[in-house]
Amino acid sequence: RKEVEQDPGPFNVPEGATVAFNCTYSNSASQSFFWYRQDCRKEPKLLMSVYSSGNEDGRFTAQLNRASQYISLLIRDSKLSDSATYLCALTRGSTLGRLYFGRGTQLTVWP
Amino acid sequence: SQTIHQWPATLVQPVGSPLSLECTVEGTSNPNLYWYRQAAGRGLQLLFYSVGIGQISSEVPQNLSASRPQDRQFILSSKKLLLSDSGFYLCAWKTGGWDQPQHFGDGTRLSIL
Repeated sequence: RKEVEQDPGPFNVPEGATVAFNCTYSNSASQSFFWYRQDCRKEPKLLMSVYSSGNEDGRFTAQLNRASQYISLLIRDSKLSDSATYLCALTRGSTLGRLYFGRGTQLTVWP
Repeated sequence: SQTIHQWPATLVQPVGSPLSLECTVEGTSNPNLYWYRQAAGRGLQLLFYSVGIGQISSEVPQNLSASRPQDRQFILSSKKLLLSDSGFYLCAWKTGGWDQPQHFGDGTRLSIL
């Protein structure tokens, strides 16, 4: 079983829609969680960390469910500029800081 | 603030030629450094990581090698490139505790002919 699994999509939504992605992980020792955004042919950029109590940054909300071993990203009021691939990542708590990445979920927002 | 530089941005090399990609971090000291490869339509594959000067750990056996000659410099090399080495090479850094995220450079797009 893969360390981190994501639905590759693509998700195609109209502007203004709400869309949610899930990411499941297999190792219960996973400690820290992140969402990255990757535009076509660009490097991944940190979108937000995911905290145990859930957190929000503008239109983006991240949730962690340790019991079911998944994290989620909710995007409200989608913009055309949200079109990208969204990668989830986690660490196991090692000082090496190794990140385990999912393969990403592709989102296209259409006008 | 911290910045990370990778060069070159794009590289086209013939099979069998050598490779040297460089990554430099500024604005921080003693970072953990990482090399990833992303093949077309694939996920990120961790190639090497380093927690200090001269300390390199390899994740996958391959014809690539890495070196860290200075605290904020990380170099990816190959003596003889293979067609399968094509891909998007990304350098990343992090500091602080294990709960801190990594930050990526702009990447080098390598095409092998």
